[in-house]
Amino acid sequence: DIQLTQSPSSLSASVGDRVTITCRATQSIINYLNWYQQKPGKAPNLLIYSASTLQSGVPSRFSGSGSGTDFTLTISSLQPEDFATYYCQQSYSPSRTFGQGTRLEIK
Amino acid sequence: QITLKESGPTLVKPTQTLTLTCTFSGFSLSTSGVGVGWIRQPPGKAPEWLALIFWDDDKRYSPSLKSRLTITKDTSKNQVVLTMTNLDPADTATYYCAHRRLITSHDAFDIWGQGTLVIVSS
Repeated sequence: DIQLTQSPSSLSASVGDRVTITCRATQSIINYLNWYQQKPGKAPNLLIYSASTLQSGVPSRFSGSGSGTDFTLTISSLQPEDFATYYCQQSYSPSRTFGQGTRLEIK
Repeated sequence: QITLKESGPTLVKPTQTLTLTCTFSGFSLSTSGVGVGWIRQPPGKAPEWLALIFWDDDKRYSPSLKSRLTITKDTSKNQVVLTMTNLDPADTATYYCAHRRLITSHDAFDIWGQGTLVIVSS
């Protein structure tokens, strides 16, 4: 299995802050990396696919980058609705895997 | 508009078999490139991918759970069924089904069901 490790596991930030979340894979996954946002009691919601392509309807303050083993999700200016948990997920391997998550909290 | 909804028992006893049904609309599982996946999420933990079935009936399973899982599709009913055998309390989780979107050679789970909570307890 390809393992994905996210950092940090949790993060406190304020509205308007720029935040970056990192996802590292145990082997190269080229750019087969997706990012999801999950709010309490809800299913995950796709934000970014193919490492850097914004899903339709997702605000442009979200962006993704990276290739190989290292990837980042950046939120340029945090909004109140962005406080949630974020997961990366790889689709390179036939066996899909998720990262352990990054919980983004209000400071 | 694509929608998916999971159904199945809420409470299952240890060692029993769990059968979950995903009923979907807005797409056909006979269309090239389409797939439906199952993902579970224990309370307070990250999602765990379980299985994926494709339009051509190809199937993929989590290596750690492969011996316990079976995924099937009924294209005429717009349903995907996941069976998990020999349940354990550690299988307590919310189980989601999701639409697999194919974008060139990449894919992602772009639409998810609301999830169904399964509790394994005697």
